[in-house]
Amino acid sequence: AQKITQTQPGMFVQEKEAVTLDCTYDTSDPSYGLFWYKQPSSGEMIFLIYQGSYDQQNATEGRYSLNFQKARKSANLVISASQLGDSAMYFCAMKPGGFKTIFGAGTRLFVKA
Amino acid sequence: EAQVTQNPRYLITVTGKKLTVTCSQNMNHEYMSWYRQDPGLGLRQIYYSMNVEVTDKGDVPEGYKVSRKEKRNFPLILESPSPNQTSLYFCASSPLGGGSSYNEQFFGPGTRLTVL
Repeated sequence: AQKITQTQPGMFVQEKEAVTLDCTYDTSDPSYGLFWYKQPSSGEMIFLIYQGSYDQQNATEGRYSLNFQKARKSANLVISASQLGDSAMYFCAMKPGGFKTIFGAGTRLFVKA
Repeated sequence: EAQVTQNPRYLITVTGKKLTVTCSQNMNHEYMSWYRQDPGLGLRQIYYSMNVEVTDKGDVPEGYKVSRKEKRNFPLILESPSPNQTSLYFCASSPLGGGSSYNEQFFGPGTRLTVL
């Protein structure tokens, strides 16, 4: 079954520290894309970062990096130097083999001052 | 401004009264999709479309219909809404350029639907 699992319903991090949000996936398709989206309290969905299954290097976008471990089927999001504005819901998503998109249940991140 | 728009943003209706939520994008994207978001379940895909007149079911299509008669529009139709369709609905679009379907999706602002 194709599935995304985010095991951390909520997490706290101190401002300026790094935090890792976990994501594991399951698919039998050899070609897939992995995404992370942020949903602040205002409700909009914001794209953060993408990793392709054939990409050799881990993706990075500013303070966001994706720790991609293909053999373990994990795609954890690392946020460096957390800011108060990073407090939000974070969703991991997968597009296995093309057109369907599967989201995880999300992790709510709280950044403490 | 490149955007995905949804209307209405908020809707309260009664069981069985047909409704349509509109979605429009101005980025000439081929791919469009509808999701519903429920607490503890994340986003679940209802339907998606790869281009005009090409649609397919997502994971939770029961009780919903869609159409894609124009590239920019992808309305979601609830012909007989029920209370279990109370949810936050998102429309999204993305290009399918370069033979890849792995482009990021651009989301609309969401429609909060309550069915009494």
